[in-house]
Amino acid sequence: DVVLTQSPLSLPVTPGQPASISCRSSQSLGHSDGNTYLNWFLQRPGQPPRRLIYKVSLRDSGVPDRFSGSGSGTYFTLKISRVEAADVGVYYCMQGTFWPRTFGQGTKLEIK
Amino acid sequence: EVHLVQSGTEVKKPGESLKISCRGIGYTFTDFWIGWVRQMPGKGLEWLGIIYPDDFDTRYNPSFQGHVTISVDNSINTAYLQWSSLLASDTAVYYCTSHGNYGGSDFDNWGQGTLVSVSS
Repeated sequence: DVVLTQSPLSLPVTPGQPASISCRSSQSLGHSDGNTYLNWFLQRPGQPPRRLIYKVSLRDSGVPDRFSGSGSGTYFTLKISRVEAADVGVYYCMQGTFWPRTFGQGTKLEIK
Repeated sequence: EVHLVQSGTEVKKPGESLKISCRGIGYTFTDFWIGWVRQMPGKGLEWLGIIYPDDFDTRYNPSFQGHVTISVDNSINTAYLQWSSLLASDTAVYYCTSHGNYGGSDFDNWGQGTLVSVSS
């Protein structure tokens, strides 16, 4: 299975400051169809996951433009330009290129 | 508006069988994959399997193959996850999700989760 390794695992951030989470894959996530199926999710406490970013950098509907995704091959990054209280939760990267799909272990963002 | 509505909390004993459900509302059920994701207490997310309702193409995570069965009833826009013999280690929240190929389309929706508790 493809292993996704996130860093850091815990991320305390002051409101208004930027934050960045990395996701490193054990294999290149480029698909033969030309796409790279790397997504980012946020799971708030007691809630199901909500997808924020798909195919590396495309924002889902309703996701603030404070969130951005980038990367290629085996290294990907989620950036939040200015953290707000509503951003608290666990962030997961997920790859859909290979079956079984796999998630990273999660990064817990908390407000300082 | 799109919704995935899952069945309620289940409390079972080891060895018992169980079938939980996920009903798709507000979209064409057969146009998108349905997947099941497990979250054990305090842990991360794991894919159990996916099914394409239009042709019943089903794929299982090898880690779960043989232990769970995924199915759909297109007449009522409902997907199922079932066990014939539960283990205590099946205790978890199970989410269903409806999405495009490889999880890479602009359509991605999750159910509210079903808590399954297995204990003697």
